[in-house]
Amino acid sequence: QSALTQPPSASGSPGQSVTISCTGTSSDVGAYNYVSWYQQHPGRAPKLILYEGNKRPSGVPGRFSGSKSGNTASLAVSGLQAEDEASYYCSAYAGSSNLLFGGGTLLTVL
Amino acid sequence: QVQLQESGPGLVKPSGTLSLTCAVSGGSISTSNWWSWVRQPPGKGLEWIGEIFHMGYSNYNPSLKSRVSILVDKSKDQFSLKLSSVTAADTAVYYCARGEVSNRYYFDYWGQGFLVTVSS
Repeated sequence: QSALTQPPSASGSPGQSVTISCTGTSSDVGAYNYVSWYQQHPGRAPKLILYEGNKRPSGVPGRFSGSKSGNTASLAVSGLQAEDEASYYCSAYAGSSNLLFGGGTLLTVL
Repeated sequence: QVQLQESGPGLVKPSGTLSLTCAVSGGSISTSNWWSWVRQPPGKGLEWIGEIFHMGYSNYNPSLKSRVSILVDKSKDQFSLKLSSVTAADTAVYYCARGEVSNRYYFDYWGQGFLVTVSS
């Protein structure tokens, strides 16, 4: 199974909103409601920011939200802040005890 | 607060075996959580390697299954990764991570990561 497809880059100005897509197949993203999103700053470990599509762990700002349509999941970041500049990775359960990650999207705050 | 810490050799020769250990502190490994390994080649994305439960049940990424073994040592609150027949393509930062109880594929705690280089 191939990695999930994400755009390599995205950008927005402070205060704006940006959306990052994550495209899989009917065997992973489209099959289960088990999509999660991670934020990774350079040199740091990934941090879980969304799970089950649109649930946020404690401490994650409400500016982060998620959705899914068919085989594509999306992460939306509203009210962009400088600290949001990082790489973002989606992941999805692919059945048979297997997990896929996306290739990552580097979000630049202009 | 649960903490995870990877350790092991940072340099492995081609065709050799990569061996890493993840020490769990601030909590026991013998909980309802599953424990995973994830890797990230330099400048690239994340790849799930596999997972283990404290009772010894394990699952692996199909693309790596023939070369991977994950074991648990409950007495030391540690779990380990062995990856055989390594090549330069296995050079990566290796993370250990804890899967949430509600869904073992949501990783709520991560180690800081450990760079392993495959080179002669």
